[in-house]
Amino acid sequence: DGGITQSPKYLFRKEGQNVTLSCEQNLNHDAMYWYRQDPGQGLRLIYYSQIVNDFQKGDIAEGYSVSREKKESFPLTVTSAQKNPTAFYLCSITPLTGPGDYGYTFGSGTRLTVV
Amino acid sequence: AQSVAQPEDQVNVAEGNPLTVKCTYSVSGNPYLFWYVQYPNRGLQFLLKYITGDNLVKGSYGFEAEFNKSQTSFHLKKPSALVSDSALYFCAVRALNSGNTPLVFGKGTRLSVIA
Repeated sequence: DGGITQSPKYLFRKEGQNVTLSCEQNLNHDAMYWYRQDPGQGLRLIYYSQIVNDFQKGDIAEGYSVSREKKESFPLTVTSAQKNPTAFYLCSITPLTGPGDYGYTFGSGTRLTVV
Repeated sequence: AQSVAQPEDQVNVAEGNPLTVKCTYSVSGNPYLFWYVQYPNRGLQFLLKYITGDNLVKGSYGFEAEFNKSQTSFHLKKPSALVSDSALYFCAVRALNSGNTPLVFGKGTRLSVIA
C-alpha cells in the first residue's frame, strides 16, 4: 500500500498470549498511528507517535503497548491484558510537515483472532 | 473535542443513479476533512480531502464532496453510481492547524449499489 507494510495479514492468538503486529514504512514519514476497527464502530485510535522514541496513548490504549525505536517502524503489541483483542488493526502514516498535499496513508491491515 | 457523525449505517442505490453519503463534523477551528473507502479485508483508500478553497472537492473514481461550513457537513457524492462502488465509506476530520494529530473517524457507511 504505497510504502507502508503491515504484517502478518492474519494472526491468531491464544488466551493469555502476547502478540506483536508489525508496521513498517519507507516513505520517511514522521508520524505513525495504530487504529482498531470493529464492525459498526469505525476506527478507534490506540496509540500514535510523531517522533522517534516518543508516543502518546489514544482512546483505547489499555491492553496495548508500542515502541518507536526507529523512524520506519512502529510495532504494536497486544498484551494478555486486552480482553477482547479480536479485531482488524490498521496502521497509518503521515509526514510531520503539513497539511500540504499529503494525507494519511494506511496499510492493508492485520486481522487478529483469538482462538 | 473532535467528532464525526455518519448518520446512515447503510445506503442503497440503483446503478446509474446519483449517490450521497452524509457526514457532519465538529472541530475547534478550521477543519481538515477526508473521505476514505474500504473494501473487504483491505486498508483504507484515500478518495479526497478538503483543506481550504472551493467548497466542491473532486476526488478519485468520479467522487466529489461538498463542504458546507454553516452546516458543518462534508457529504460525499457521485453523479452515477457503479456496482463496483459498493464498499464501506469513512469520513474523517482533524483541526487544520493542529500538527499531525490523529484523524477522528466516523463509524462508516456501507454503500450498496444494486444492478
